[in-house]
Amino acid sequence: DQQVKQNSPSLSVQEGRISILNCDYTNSMFDYFLWYKKYPAEGPTFLISISSIKDKNEDGRFTVFLNKSAKHLSLHIVPSQPGDSAVYFCAASAYGGATNKLIFGTGTLLAVQP
Amino acid sequence: DAGVTQSPTHLIKTRGQQVTLRCSPKSGHDTVSWYQQALGQGPQFIFQYYEEEERQRGNFPDRFSGHQFPNYSSELNVNALLLGDSALYLCASSSPSPLNTEAFFGQGTRLTVV
Repeated sequence: DQQVKQNSPSLSVQEGRISILNCDYTNSMFDYFLWYKKYPAEGPTFLISISSIKDKNEDGRFTVFLNKSAKHLSLHIVPSQPGDSAVYFCAASAYGGATNKLIFGTGTLLAVQP
Repeated sequence: DAGVTQSPTHLIKTRGQQVTLRCSPKSGHDTVSWYQQALGQGPQFIFQYYEEEERQRGNFPDRFSGHQFPNYSSELNVNALLLGDSALYLCASSSPSPLNTEAFFGQGTRLTVV
């Protein structure tokens, strides 16, 4: 049972435009959500997180939106840069934030075209 | 700060053998989690260690075991290796602080079982 789903395996956008990566979850006990970026041959790198008490969190070019009623979150990258090309993973946890076990989606490969 | 370090980076083992992977957490972190990432999938939680005890466990067989040492470093052991154990094994460290907002990952160990 896939509790965290990233239904788009890949996404291609032009440099300077907005990238929107989506994530859906099924477990209503999830209360903390994180986005990680992963380059080949490297471990995942933390990007941004959001607690379920918020509906938006912003950090520079990255903004995460959370819609609890729809069990949906999205990551917006504005403006997109070629260096953003990587696999993006959505992760969720319950009762303990980032310390608790993380349930990951299958990832979305983002390609930013110059 | 060296961050999370894992060794070795690559490993080739024969089916039926045993393997030990190692992880040193980020300075100041006392919680270590292990994940398995198969090709094309997101990381899957194996188990977590805190205060030298296994605190949580994912859906992995008993062939997967671990240990945490007093200096918080950790080992993942896999016995009776199967071809299906071939994957990237990731270690993540975190702290139990309620302000903790992310888990830091190492670069991973690529295990190939032949």
